[in-house]
Amino acid sequence: DTGVSQDPRHKITKRGQNVTFRCDPISEHNRLYWYRQTLGQGPEFLTYFQNEAQLEKSRLLSDRFSAERPKGSFSTLEIQRTEQGDSAMYLCASRLPSAGNEQFFGPGTRLTVL
Amino acid sequence: KNQVEQSPQSLIILEGKNCTLQCNYTVSPFSNLRWYKQDTGRGPVSLTIMTFSENTKSNGRYTATLDADTKQSSLHITASQLSDSASYICVVSAGNTGKLIFGQGTTLQVKP
Repeated sequence: DTGVSQDPRHKITKRGQNVTFRCDPISEHNRLYWYRQTLGQGPEFLTYFQNEAQLEKSRLLSDRFSAERPKGSFSTLEIQRTEQGDSAMYLCASRLPSAGNEQFFGPGTRLTVL
Repeated sequence: KNQVEQSPQSLIILEGKNCTLQCNYTVSPFSNLRWYKQDTGRGPVSLTIMTFSENTKSNGRYTATLDADTKQSSLHITASQLSDSASYICVVSAGNTGKLIFGQGTTLQVKP
């Protein structure tokens, strides 16, 4: 257990539905990252926050995706009008800038879109 | 384009044997390189992290090497155990944002 938690661990939804995932980072970590990982591939960067500010978004983050970190603590990732291609593991990671760039990953949320 | 490539894609070895996983990268500016172990259905867990000036780093039966000139790294696993069965991902950190560039991983299966 790295100290980063994600909820839910698994989500099955029908195409076209909206889903929201939550990430709770290690409490003193001010940077929070979201990644997407498909089967047999390494994680791909989606977006990251420093405190409550979203500083970078990947081109992978289409208009249907939105992430927030309203109080600089937990973060949510919402996918609207889900598509089958959204099926993947969504990973969250957090870090302190001074800690050698070490990112600590949560267990992930596995999304299956039927 | 920043890229990290790993080989082999998958590997099967017998329990007790050694193995070496390879990683080549083209990432600039380079900050550090790390190896993660990812069990099926779990998030990645860091094994080792190396900066530009470090050539080797050990963590128990895991030993990572880094050649910053050739931009290559390896992860050597000694006396493999069944619990070593997992995906091993090479990750390079670029610049100061902490953004990580991931390889596609090597899936290792250790058989009794």
